[in-house]
Parts: sequence; structure tokens; C-alpha cells
Amino acid sequence: GDSVTQMEGPVTLSEEAFLTINCTYTATGYPSLFWYVQYPGEGLQLLLKATKADDKGSNKGFEATYRKETTSFHLEKGSVQVSDSAVYFCALRDSNSGYALNFGKGTSLLVTP
Amino acid sequence: NAGVTQTPKFQVLKTGQSMTLQCAQDMNHNSMYWYRQDPGMGLRLIYYSASEGTTDKGEVPNGYNVSRLNKREFSLRLESAAPSQTSVYFCASRVTGTGVYEQYFGPGTRLTVT
Repeated sequence: GDSVTQMEGPVTLSEEAFLTINCTYTATGYPSLFWYVQYPGEGLQLLLKATKADDKGSNKGFEATYRKETTSFHLEKGSVQVSDSAVYFCALRDSNSGYALNFGKGTSLLVTP
Repeated sequence: NAGVTQTPKFQVLKTGQSMTLQCAQDMNHNSMYWYRQDPGMGLRLIYYSASEGTTDKGEVPNGYNVSRLNKREFSLRLESAAPSQTSVYFCASRVTGTGVYEQYFGPGTRLTVT
């Protein structure tokens, strides 16, 4: 079935460092792709999305480009802040199960001052 | 507009006890979902309801039942809790429309079964 694989964490960065969290997918066709963020003790929030190949999603300084040639949707940010410390989940839209989301295992990010 | 709400936030059960997790959304969404989150496992789909009056099993439905009470509410019931059901449970909803697939999540229920 359709699935996503994302890099294992935890990732520790200093403030203002460049962030990349890798995500690759396996899917039939070209499903919508998402990045969700989970702050400690909270639910998941949609960070950005892309609905078709070559789309770039962006929000709050984060970006990800839907690349069908490499089946990837890597999350990037040019300069992280302490407030970006959270768990980040890559997900794709399942064509079955009422269009549920299939999630990666999550990548924990800790940004230190 | 509260979005997706869940009750309770925390719960401790003994093995064999039952309970119902409540979920409600005020966004007039058609589809609703229950996921569980376990360390190192991401989120896994338990049950979903594509529209009012319908429910279907997801990836890990064993030990759970659901009820789509109306368009707003979707509850998850554990009839006889087991330690393997210790997890964080998230409810989500999605507006139904062409090309619209993002989901909105509640704050979660942290359940411990001893």
C-alpha cells in the first residue's frame, strides 16, 4: 500500500541553522502530500501541503517541493528558531480508507539557543 | 469555532474496564477519523466515517468500536481495555470536496491501561 518513510530523529540544531527533514513516498499515482507538526502535549497541525507534482508548499518559513522523479517531499527551513522544536510528520493521502492519511513515524527536532 | 474537540484529555483504566472517547467538530465536515499514536510508530488509523451514517475499519480496528452519532460527533469505544491499548488517541475531520484532503486534528486523549 501507499506509504511514507521519513528520516529518523532526533535532530538537534542550533538556532539559525538550516533544517532538512527527508521524506520519501511509495504510492500508486500522485497523491497529495503533507507535513504536519506536533508541539509538545498538543495535537497535529497542518504545516504545509502539495497536491500535485512540482508543487511547492510553504508556511512559516518552511518549504517542501513535491518531486515525482525522486518520490520525495523533503521539509526545509533556512533558519530555525527555538520555537520550531517539535515533532514533524510527513503524510500522504490514502486513496482508500475514506482518504485517510498515512503518516511517517515522525522526526523530533530540538533547536537549542 | 472550536474546531475538533476531544474528551477526556487523560484517562487511566484497569484491564477489562470500558470507556468511550468523545469527539466533536463544528466545521460541518463530512468525514471523521480516529487514529492512535504510539512511540516510534507515527499515527495509525483505527476507524473512519466517510459521512454521517457510515463507518469503516482502518488499519488497527481490533478491540474498538465506533459510533457516528450525527454529523458533528464520532465516538470511539473500548469494550474491554487491554494494556496494548495504552496510547494517545486523536480524532480528525476533513471537509469533503474535490482535491481537498487535509485533516484537522483534536488535542488528543492520553489513555493508560494498567
